[in-house]
Amino acid sequence: AQKVTQAQTEISVVEKEDVTLDCVYETRDTTYYLFWYKQPPSGELVFLIRRNSFDEQNEISGRYSWNFQKSTSSFNFTITASQVVDSAVYFCALIPRGGGSEKLVFGKGTKLTVNP
Amino acid sequence: DTGVSQDPRHKITKRGQNVTFRCDPISEHNRLYWYRQTLGQGPEFLTYFQNEAQLEKSRLLSDRFSAERPKGSFSTLEIQRTEQGDSAMYLCASGGGETQYFGPGTRLLVL
Repeated sequence: AQKVTQAQTEISVVEKEDVTLDCVYETRDTTYYLFWYKQPPSGELVFLIRRNSFDEQNEISGRYSWNFQKSTSSFNFTITASQVVDSAVYFCALIPRGGGSEKLVFGKGTKLTVNP
Repeated sequence: DTGVSQDPRHKITKRGQNVTFRCDPISEHNRLYWYRQTLGQGPEFLTYFQNEAQLEKSRLLSDRFSAERPKGSFSTLEIQRTEQGDSAMYLCASGGGETQYFGPGTRLLVL
């Protein structure tokens, strides 16, 4: 079975704090892709990052960084020095590649509120 | 081309009516996807096209739902005999590789 768990339903921080959003995934496939999307109040899902299962190198993009650990099936997302504009719902998602499916499997999302 | 577009953005209908949504993908993308998102949940996959061929359908796609992509460009999603449980955001995405890029969605309210 394919599953993505985002245990944190809501997080509230004060501007400039660092915040980490957790994502744990389950899949039997050895080849898969992991994603993070941002959904601001406007509703449109914005692509942030994609990692494949063979690339465990962590990635940094500006204030955003991602930590992928196959040993714990986790793909966590950290925002450094958070800003009010970071307030949104963040989704972690998985595409398992073993059966040829194109289906993105999403977690339930983490609602991040950054207060001024 | 600025991205995936969807029309309408909002739709209010009465139970039992039929509704149709349109999605225009990013022009160079051959893959098109439909998802449904209810309040407080992540999007759930409905169906997927590669060019004009519908290659994958979810069990969520009951026989009241039908999707088409007749010329491999835009797609339509029709819901017949709408029910209150169909109220949701319907999201379209397109992709040419491994990443799916989403449109703004169509928010459906069935009264």
